[in-house]
Amino acid sequence: SQELEQSPQSLIVQEGKNLTINCTSSKTLYGLYWYKQKYGEGLIFLMMLQKGGEEKSHEKITAKLDEKKQQSSLHITASQPSHAGIYLCGAESDMRFGAGTRLTVKP
Amino acid sequence: DAGVIQSPRHEVTEMGQEVTLRCKPISGHNSLFWYRQTMMRGLELLIYFNNNVPIDDSGMPEDRFSAKMPNASFSTLKIQPSEPRDSAVYFCASSNRGGNTEAFFGQGTRLTVV
Repeated sequence: SQELEQSPQSLIVQEGKNLTINCTSSKTLYGLYWYKQKYGEGLIFLMMLQKGGEEKSHEKITAKLDEKKQQSSLHITASQPSHAGIYLCGAESDMRFGAGTRLTVKP
Repeated sequence: DAGVIQSPRHEVTEMGQEVTLRCKPISGHNSLFWYRQTMMRGLELLIYFNNNVPIDDSGMPEDRFSAKMPNASFSTLKIQPSEPRDSAVYFCASSNRGGNTEAFFGQGTRLTVV
């Protein structure tokens, strides 16, 4: 199976600050998902990346898959309290996920 | 479509009792996934069905856990007998595998075994 490591495990930022979350795979990624989860709720799909170098944006969230397709980053610009939650990356090949990054945004 | 529907939302049971979690996937989806989420272990894939057939059950913790998908619109995850360490949130997700589309998750069942 594909091992996905996420960093950092948790992150606390001041509202308005930018931040980056990373996801690294032990094998080549043929598709990578980013999901967001609020406490006590299910996972909400953010975006899927498939091609090396691909970059996608959704509102103030941008995700990129590197050329080697083994690392992805998720960047949030001008963070807001509504961005708080757990961000998880998942491999499309086996539908397994990283441990998640818990984001707190202080107003 | 109402999305992936899981029931119950919350379950509290005594150790040793049988627990059955239910999932109704999105109509037309050909794949169904059961996950378990805990603080310690994160989101773990338990089992994956494709066209109602179990494809990968390597994540099922032990023989106390079993999952079935008798038809395309219903799946169950059963724990018998339950133990306190089974306490977790269990998620069901469905997707149209092969269509390069995302998986849609249900709201989860929070299981507490006392």
